[in-house]
Amino acid sequence: DTAVSQTPKYLVTQMGNDKSIKCEQNLGHDTMYWYKQDSKKFLKIMFSYNNKELIINETVPNRFSPKSPDKAHLNLHINSLELGDSAVYFCASSQGPNNYGYTFGSGTRLTVV
Amino acid sequence: GNSVTQMEGPVTLSEEAFLTINCTYTATGYPSLFWYVQYPGEGLQLLLKATKADDKGSNKGFEATYRKETTSFHLEKGSVQVSDSAVYFCALSGDSSYKLIFGSGTRLLVRP
Repeated sequence: DTAVSQTPKYLVTQMGNDKSIKCEQNLGHDTMYWYKQDSKKFLKIMFSYNNKELIINETVPNRFSPKSPDKAHLNLHINSLELGDSAVYFCASSQGPNNYGYTFGSGTRLTVV
Repeated sequence: GNSVTQMEGPVTLSEEAFLTINCTYTATGYPSLFWYVQYPGEGLQLLLKATKADDKGSNKGFEATYRKETTSFHLEKGSVQVSDSAVYFCALSGDSSYKLIFGSGTRLLVRP
């Protein structure tokens, strides 16, 4: 069983479209995250939810909106996609803060054309 | 704010060579420190961690020691294999923080 699963794995779409990426974890973790990895491999946190409550909201365009229907799911919706949104988006989960570390999904490669 | 600095890559080694990837950090309080590995086309996997000063994390022949006096957490392996070729990320999590802050990653290429 995959611990943190994301769908789709690849997403190619045109500028201006709206798309969603889904994430599910079966680890029983309380906290979930979205990270963006750019072409230089740099990882930056975008959002985090703890038990369905938003706890981290970094400086991200408001075209990006996370939604957590329950603590096992965290989806990312992106409106009006732009070329600069092309990246790999990783979902992750953790049991708690600080010293637990994260379990990552395998990533969604988004290409905006 | 908290930050992590890693040595720039790529690091290219021959099989069975000794590996060191340097990582230093800036943080207040007592952060936890991590190394993650990303194989091509995959997500990040936790390689090892250390949660307090002088702790040594180890896994799969890799080691790193949490040095508070030098604010460092260098990754070492005595004898690398071709299968170790990947990107390695140093990361820290501050006191009671959910946020994991990553370094810029170091690509390791091991040649047969």
